[in-house]
Amino acid sequence: GDSVTQMEGPVTLSEEAFLTINCTYTATGYPSLFWYVQYPGEGLQLLLKATKADDKGSNKGFEATYRKETTSFHLEKGSVQVSDSAVYFCALSDLGSGSARQLTFGSGTQLTVLP
Amino acid sequence: GAGVSQSPRYKVAKRGQDVALRCDPISGHVSLFWYQQALGQGPEFLTYFQNEAQLDKSGLPSDRFFAERPEGSVSTLKIQRTQQEDSAVYLCASRFERDTQYFGPGTRLTVL
Repeated sequence: GDSVTQMEGPVTLSEEAFLTINCTYTATGYPSLFWYVQYPGEGLQLLLKATKADDKGSNKGFEATYRKETTSFHLEKGSVQVSDSAVYFCALSDLGSGSARQLTFGSGTQLTVLP
Repeated sequence: GAGVSQSPRYKVAKRGQDVALRCDPISGHVSLFWYQQALGQGPEFLTYFQNEAQLDKSGLPSDRFFAERPEGSVSTLKIQRTQQEDSAVYLCASRFERDTQYFGPGTRLTVL
């Protein structure tokens, strides 16, 4: 079945540092890939997505490129801010999973950015 | 516009009690999903509705879990005879056609 493996946390960085959170996946079909973010006390929010190989998703300075050859979708940001502190989830939605196309999530990576 | 809302936000139940968790999706969203998120883990799929039809319930962990969406809008997830292993955050998400899923804030269930 489908699965997502995420870099384990927690990750602690200083403000303006470079961020990478690794994500690899296994899927039987042709998945769409997502990064969701969960700020303290809030629900999951879509951060960015990519629907086919070599697509780059980007939002709020974050980027991730859909790499089919390495089955990866690593999240990057060039300069993190304190406000980026949150839990980040990598997820996939597989076209092969039928009409539901439910999301399969990784276990999440807690990011803390220190001033 | 309003997002997905869930109630209650927190629920404490004694082992063996029945609980009902409510989800109000975004108006007009056809698809509705329930997920279970254990502490320190990512959400896991429970069930899916398209309008009032429950098309996939493969993720429900036992027959104590039951979900309904009778009028194709509000949905209720019911857990009968709660057990300690049911303690988790229950997330609801809605989606318009095949677009992005939008999540509610979740209901944190604690079973004592």
